[in-house]
Amino acid sequence: DAGVIQSPRHEVTEMGQEVTLRCKPISGHNSLFWYRQTMMRGLELLIYFNNNVPIDDSGMPEDRFSAKMPNASFSTLKIQPSEPRDSAVYFCASSPGTGPMGYTFGSGTRLTVV
Amino acid sequence: AQTVTQSQPEMSVQEAETVTLSCTYDTSENNYYLFWYKQPPSRQMILVIRQEAYKQQNATENRFSVNFQKAAKSFSLKISDSQLGDTAMYFCAFRSSGDKLTFGTGTRLAVRP
Repeated sequence: DAGVIQSPRHEVTEMGQEVTLRCKPISGHNSLFWYRQTMMRGLELLIYFNNNVPIDDSGMPEDRFSAKMPNASFSTLKIQPSEPRDSAVYFCASSPGTGPMGYTFGSGTRLTVV
Repeated sequence: AQTVTQSQPEMSVQEAETVTLSCTYDTSENNYYLFWYKQPPSRQMILVIRQEAYKQQNATENRFSVNFQKAAKSFSLKISDSQLGDTAMYFCAFRSSGDKLTFGTGTRLAVRP
């Protein structure tokens, strides 16, 4: 099992540009989560999906952020337009469902907006 | 809403010694799960240990063990025989009947040679 795969690992972009982060969850996991990690705010849940359906997007900071999960093996997090305050590490995680299994995290994408 | 509190921003321990990281949480639920995650400088989030609230026996994984006190809503992590590779951020996390995992703010652990 290759684990949760995120791409790119690093992204540097200019303010105002569109950024797309990608995630491939573990096969068979039916829940997928997007987190953002910063020094100031720690780990914040942005949105999560269950069976490809968005369940809770209350953590999405504003309309510039959007996330999709068109199928069970792929999800994207898009920021348009990007701003310097969006600079952070973005993690994707997947889980086989509720209960004791916890999450398996991807390696994260470090986003820098200049 | 559930909250998870880690009151120790930083800890330090001598190699081969034992260290305990603290975690408390707040919930009105009876059935839930608790986790400790490790984040080394590589930034990968690694599950260290988990505990089901309905189990009285404390979970153990090799050198890692927990002290789960349900009535006190406390879930501390003990690392025995600390190794240099244990240097990392450690996050306590809580999950109830839903999907969401709520994390604490983390404790940065440094293992000194």
